[in-house]
Amino acid sequence: GAGVSQSPSNKVTEKGKDVELRCDPISGHTALYWYRQSLGQGLEFLIYFQGNSAPDKSGLPSDRFSAERTGGSVSTLTIQRTQQEDSAVYLCASSLSGGDTQYFGPGTRLTVL
Amino acid sequence: GDSVTQTEGPVTLPERAALTLNCTYQSSYSTFLFWYVQYLNKEPELLLKSSENQETDSRGFQASPIKSDSSFHLEKPSVQLSDSAVYYCALRDRGDYKLSFGAGTTVTVRA
Repeated sequence: GAGVSQSPSNKVTEKGKDVELRCDPISGHTALYWYRQSLGQGLEFLIYFQGNSAPDKSGLPSDRFSAERTGGSVSTLTIQRTQQEDSAVYLCASSLSGGDTQYFGPGTRLTVL
Repeated sequence: GDSVTQTEGPVTLPERAALTLNCTYQSSYSTFLFWYVQYLNKEPELLLKSSENQETDSRGFQASPIKSDSSFHLEKPSVQLSDSAVYYCALRDRGDYKLSFGAGTTVTVRA
């Protein structure tokens, strides 16, 4: 079956611009996660959605970052007024429910010039 | 908070050599432990997982959680060229859902 998909695969933007990153989870998965993978570092948790519950935003690094999940499926991660330190690969993952095995998407490579 | 520490890379070894990647962790809670593997230009995928005190095996890799020293080392007795990848150790607290990852170790297997 189809895995987690993300778009765009690559995004180059100028400092100060806003960007939106999209994630389509595996069909039927109620839990969705965003992680950030910076060069030479591990994966850093950003935000978690589970069904209709309020999301866990505890990993978002600043108020420039926000995410939403519409209809319990597709999620969008928005970064406002991008900074060079935001350059990273943004990975989305989904699982059948919270705590189950997480399946990752191919990621969006964001480059802020 | 939780933290995971891994063998510093990169690690380069010949085919058929034995591989051991160290992983130690700190957590205030009972945990699930994982190894994820990320091949070049691919997304991370689960290699194996274990609750405490249970050895697991996948694709010839083994990991034995040792609660007494909070470790979850990854081992493979004989590596192949296709094992070249970045390996991440991760943990999840029981009752939680998010994964805490180590920094990853790049492994290169040479012919």
